Amino acid sequence: DQQVKQNSPSLSVQEGRISILNCDYTNSMFDYFLWYKKYPAEGPTFLISISSIKDKNEDGRFTVFLNKSAKHLSLHIVPSQPGDSAVYFCAVDTGNQFYFGTGTSLTVIP
Amino acid sequence: EAQVTQNPRYLITVTGKKLTVTCSQNMNHEYMSWYRQDPGLGLRQIYYSMNVEVTDKGDVPEGYKVSRKEKRNFPLILESPSPNQTSLYFCASKDRGQPQHFGDGTRLSIL
Repeated sequence: DQQVKQNSPSLSVQEGRISILNCDYTNSMFDYFLWYKKYPAEGPTFLISISSIKDKNEDGRFTVFLNKSAKHLSLHIVPSQPGDSAVYFCAVDTGNQFYFGTGTSLTVIP
Repeated sequence: EAQVTQNPRYLITVTGKKLTVTCSQNMNHEYMSWYRQDPGLGLRQIYYSMNVEVTDKGDVPEGYKVSRKEKRNFPLILESPSPNQTSLYFCASKDRGQPQHFGDGTRLSIL
């Protein structure tokens, strides 16, 4: 069973608009979440993280929101840029094991 | 430059022929891990190692072995590869409390 789910395999957004990527998890004990970005032929690279003691974390154009009661997190990118076109994975860090979602392919249209 | 290096980057081989994918990191990280990425399944953890001589199974360890004899290296061994192990493999390392650094991947095709 998937511990982390990304239900949208793909998303297209106009340049300059907001991109919202969603992620759901199953275990309420999870307390540290990350987003990774992946370009073709490269490994994933870390983007932003959030601990369960917070409900929001911002880093420039990227903001992650955590809703613990709904077991849901989202990544907001604003404004979206063509260079943001990539696959985005959400992940849970349990301290030793990691669980990744299936990824959302974001296309930002110029 | 801080990096995780995997070799080979691409390999086509046949069922049953033992192979090893090497992974090396130059950041003195204690934690290392292997993942496979398959369409529709995302990244799934195969094995991880918290430190030298300490390894544990991830979600999908069947058919794989690992060893951690020294801190910088964490090879992935397929003793008798089968076609269902055709996949894109990633090695990663991290420091405590930090996010993982990933290698650029190894694409394995097992015929």
